Amino acid sequence: ETGVTQSPTHLIKTRGQQVTLRCSSQSGHNTVSWYQQALGQGPQFIFQYYREEENGRGNFPPRFSGLQFPNYSSELNVNALELDDSALYLCASSLGAGGSTDTQYFGPGTRLTVL
Amino acid sequence: GDSVTQMEGPVTLSEEAFLTINCTYTATGYPSLFWYVQYPGEGLQLLLKATKADDKGSNKGFEATYRKETTSFHLEKGSVQVSDSAVYFCALSDLKTSYDKVIFGPGTSLSVIP
Repeated sequence: ETGVTQSPTHLIKTRGQQVTLRCSSQSGHNTVSWYQQALGQGPQFIFQYYREEENGRGNFPPRFSGLQFPNYSSELNVNALELDDSALYLCASSLGAGGSTDTQYFGPGTRLTVL
Repeated sequence: GDSVTQMEGPVTLSEEAFLTINCTYTATGYPSLFWYVQYPGEGLQLLLKATKADDKGSNKGFEATYRKETTSFHLEKGSVQVSDSAVYFCALSDLKTSYDKVIFGPGTSLSVIP
């Protein structure tokens, strides 16, 4: 059991709306990463936070933003939703500060559908 | 940039058959390599990993060896079970950056029939 939880499990939104997805990392894990997994594809890295600061971002526009809190919880916010944002969103927590081989532990994901 | 390529699925095997899922990577540095498994309706679970050349990762009967000369990390299991039916992702961790970005392959779907 990884100890990483995400909410909600499923979410349906319409184009143009905003959405907030939540993640609770394993206790003691200072790093959280977010990934987008489109149907039938591998996860794509969105960004990573270490001790409440963003320290890395993938090829995603600024309307994807995040927050990390001292209590090991975090959020992914997406503004101005587009149909292509429909995907499974995964968060992963790990111990280290990056540049290491720390294992990332994944949550079960939030399935977002944009209509 | 760094990338991961996997054999296309779906792969269908009979129970107790031998499994190989091919994975090759492109990286300019010295990445760590991983296999993750995703069961239906669930998130990703780390199956095994290797952090340097010639390392062998193993778990639950699965094995993979980090081959730098062929830039490969093929997943093998000697005798698959129905419960192994899942999607398998080969991945690498880019150690060149200051953050742990994991790059995933497209995944290979495995179905094991009794």
